[in-house]
Parts: sequence; structure tokens; C-alpha cells
Amino acid sequence: SHELTQPPSVSVSPGQTASITCSGGKLGDKYACWYQQKPGQSPVLVMYQNTKRPSGIPERFSGSNSGNTATLTISGTQAMDEADYYCQAWDSSTGGVFGGGTKLTVL
Amino acid sequence: EVQLVESGGGLVKPGGSLRLSCAASGFTFSTYSINWVRQAPGKGLEWVSCISSSSSFIKFSDSVKGRFTISRDNAKNSLYLHMSSLRAEDTAVYYCARDLGVVAGQPVLDFWGQGTQVTVSS
Repeated sequence: SHELTQPPSVSVSPGQTASITCSGGKLGDKYACWYQQKPGQSPVLVMYQNTKRPSGIPERFSGSNSGNTATLTISGTQAMDEADYYCQAWDSSTGGVFGGGTKLTVL
Repeated sequence: EVQLVESGGGLVKPGGSLRLSCAASGFTFSTYSINWVRQAPGKGLEWVSCISSSSSFIKFSDSVKGRFTISRDNAKNSLYLHMSSLRAEDTAVYYCARDLGVVAGQPVLDFWGQGTQVTVSS
């Protein structure tokens, strides 16, 4: 499959753990990336190669990828983490693929 | 400081053409692949195209294949997206984004420009 499926929304209380999933055929055989986008801003890379955090991304962000599902986990979620999150992978035949995005609400 | 600055967006009629530019600074542009990603109003991200550092590898999404071309001028630290036969559904903010290059052939977009708005409407 060339599609990545994310839940449209996830809600979490401050200080709790948020998990955002991304599902796609044989996704576990590929590297998944995650991007955070706040309103009116450009996307920011928060996770790559499934589990690696770019410089400057807080340790509370972590990732995993197995089977058909990649997961972005935010531990001790803060109000500043409220944003849209997109997963992305590469398909050798069709090119870059993004998930539909998940709106994370911290309330 | 890494910077990517897009320009060239605007209002164009259906069937028209437009050329977007992406000016890079703060890194060795000639050694990085660059991608274009777009975002329609209120919608998610959509990958559009990529070009390798030497222009030897180019790829397009099915939605723009045959209508868009991509090129770069490493001497000018610039990337271009030539868009033709534009349709209403091409209306979006277009971002250029640098590929970190950690995995050959699998883009990781570590820096993004601020985007340029393209509106296709009569």
C-alpha cells in the first residue's frame, strides 16, 4: 500500500503520555519520519529513521516502528506540544508519502 | 544558519504556468537533495518532487507527473519548480525542504522554507 493512515485527532492531559500511530502496508520494512506543524508555521522534523531525534527535539519525544505501524510517543506532554503531527515514509515506486495528519490536543 | 526561501507564488488561471524558486543559504547546497512539498488550504502535507544533489535523480508524485519539472543551479544555490497545465487542485502552499541525507533514497526533511502560496483560479 502507498497510503499511511493516522487518527485524525488525539487528546491528552498535560503531563500524560500521547501516542500517535501511523499505519501502512509493510511500514515496518521502511524508515518512518515524523513532523510537527503548528498553526501558521512550517513543519519541523521531530523524529527520523523510526527512533532518532534531531538536535533540539526534547527527549520526551520517542518513536518506534514495527509490523505495519509506526508510533510517535510524547511522554510528559506539554501545552507547547499541541500541534498537527504527520508521519512520512518513502515508497520506491511512488516517492514520498505522508500520513493524513493527527491533531494533538493537550487539555 | 540554514535558510530556504521560496518565491514565485501567486494567482494563476487554470491551464497557466508558474515557476517557483527556492534560495538556499547557510549550508553547502550542492551536496544535498531537495524536495518540494505542498499543503492545500486546511489540508495535510503532500510530497511533490525531489531532486538529488547533482540532478541525476528526479522523481515526481503521480498527481503532478508530466506537468511539473524540477531543476537546480548549484552555482546559484537555487532550486526551481516549473509548473504548467495548472489546475484548481494545485492550489496550495509550496515548501522546499532539505533532505538530511542519512538514508540513500529515503528523504528526511530536516529544514523547511516558509512556503509560497500558489492559487489557481479563474
